[in-house]
Amino acid sequence: EAGVTQSPTHLIKTRGQQATLRCSPISGHTSVYWYQQALGLGLQFLLWYDEGEERNRGNFPPRFSGRQFPNYSSELNVNALELEDSALYLCASQPRTGLSGANVLTFGAGSRLTVL
Amino acid sequence: AQSVTQLGSHVSVSEGALVLLRCNYSSSVPPYLFWYVQYPNQGLQLLLKYTSAATLVKGINGFEAEFKKSETSFHLTKPSAHMSDAAEYFCAVSLLPYSSASKIIFGSGTRLSIRP
Repeated sequence: EAGVTQSPTHLIKTRGQQATLRCSPISGHTSVYWYQQALGLGLQFLLWYDEGEERNRGNFPPRFSGRQFPNYSSELNVNALELEDSALYLCASQPRTGLSGANVLTFGAGSRLTVL
Repeated sequence: AQSVTQLGSHVSVSEGALVLLRCNYSSSVPPYLFWYVQYPNQGLQLLLKYTSAATLVKGINGFEAEFKKSETSFHLTKPSAHMSDAAEYFCAVSLLPYSSASKIIFGSGTRLSIRP
């Protein structure tokens, strides 16, 4: 069974540009989560998508946005990039809410964004 | 509100020595607790989880953790460290069994180094 896949692995942008990161969840998982892992700051919850809808977002500005497609894959968009957006962005998927084990996350390897 | 504290951002042990990574939680109701491991350049992988069954939980790679309600702790241990255990370890807490991952709170992580 394929795991959670993320692309690109690495991305280098300059301040003010836009970045788009992609995530494909495990087959059968309907929820996708995005986390930011900046150096020394642990995992910060960004966004939660389930069944195509944004269900919850963390304490991040509106320039962080995304969407979930009908096949449950997801995109994270970061507009007007700032230097402090440099981080590892992790995507995780989860089975349908209400199922046993639904709160166990399966993570992808991440996309490392560097803003110069 | 629930929270989790990992004591020690960096722990170093000799190969073959006991590994002890500390995690304390704060929760008004019985929590679900997790340990995840992140190897270099990879996403997070579930090590073990506590879901109110047995207080001593065994995970992968010889790790185990004991839930101690009186101490609000969920420390991770391994009797004998191996070089391959070098990684970042995250403790996490969730209040509800079927809640979304956005309700899962991660600790700031502990980097484990193994000395030859």
